[in-house]
Amino acid sequence: AQRVTQPEKLLSVFKGAPVELKCNYSYSGSPELFWYVQYSRQRLQLLLRHISRESIKGFTADLNKGETSFHLKKPFAQEEDSAMYYCALSGPAGANNLFFGTGTRLTVIP
Amino acid sequence: DTAVSQTPKYLVTQMGNDKSIKCEQNLGHDTMYWYKQDSKKFLKIMFSYNNKELIINETVPNRFSPKSPDKAHLNLHINSLELGDSAVYFCASSQDRSPTDTQYFGPGTRLTVL
Repeated sequence: AQRVTQPEKLLSVFKGAPVELKCNYSYSGSPELFWYVQYSRQRLQLLLRHISRESIKGFTADLNKGETSFHLKKPFAQEEDSAMYYCALSGPAGANNLFFGTGTRLTVIP
Repeated sequence: DTAVSQTPKYLVTQMGNDKSIKCEQNLGHDTMYWYKQDSKKFLKIMFSYNNKELIINETVPNRFSPKSPDKAHLNLHINSLELGDSAVYFCASSQDRSPTDTQYFGPGTRLTVL
């Protein structure tokens, strides 16, 4: 069965400090992994997905199949990064059913 | 020109009532979804529709019935509302049902059952 774990419910960092939001997954097949973000008073939106191997707003995430992790990283946090971050896994094949982690609320302290 | 819209934004009702939440997308997508976000902010898939056919039903109580009159609309009807149904309900859509597809979310409907 699919499972996504985000161990940190709350994470606070100072502006300019590096940030890492942890995500571990459990999935028997080949996973498709995403990070979605929800800024205050805005709708949930895609931040990045592992298949694209891109950097969005300075964030990157690398899929580590050995550790079954997909941690989200940014070298220098900005105040506007404060938001709720969800790691999500898509599957099984033939369906686009997103399984979300419980989310991590990131607060960047000025 | 909102991509995925939901109505109403807020819904307050008494236990035992029947209510509906509407969702519309103007992206031309084939697949639509309903998610439930509980008080702890946990998001869970409820239903998925592809070209008006139900393709996923994640063991949701049968008091919840999705209805898709066409592929641009996916409405959620809830019978005999219970206190535990209080949550934020999100509609979403994607181009098709490929696992790599991005999902686009609506603004959410906050349902409060008294």
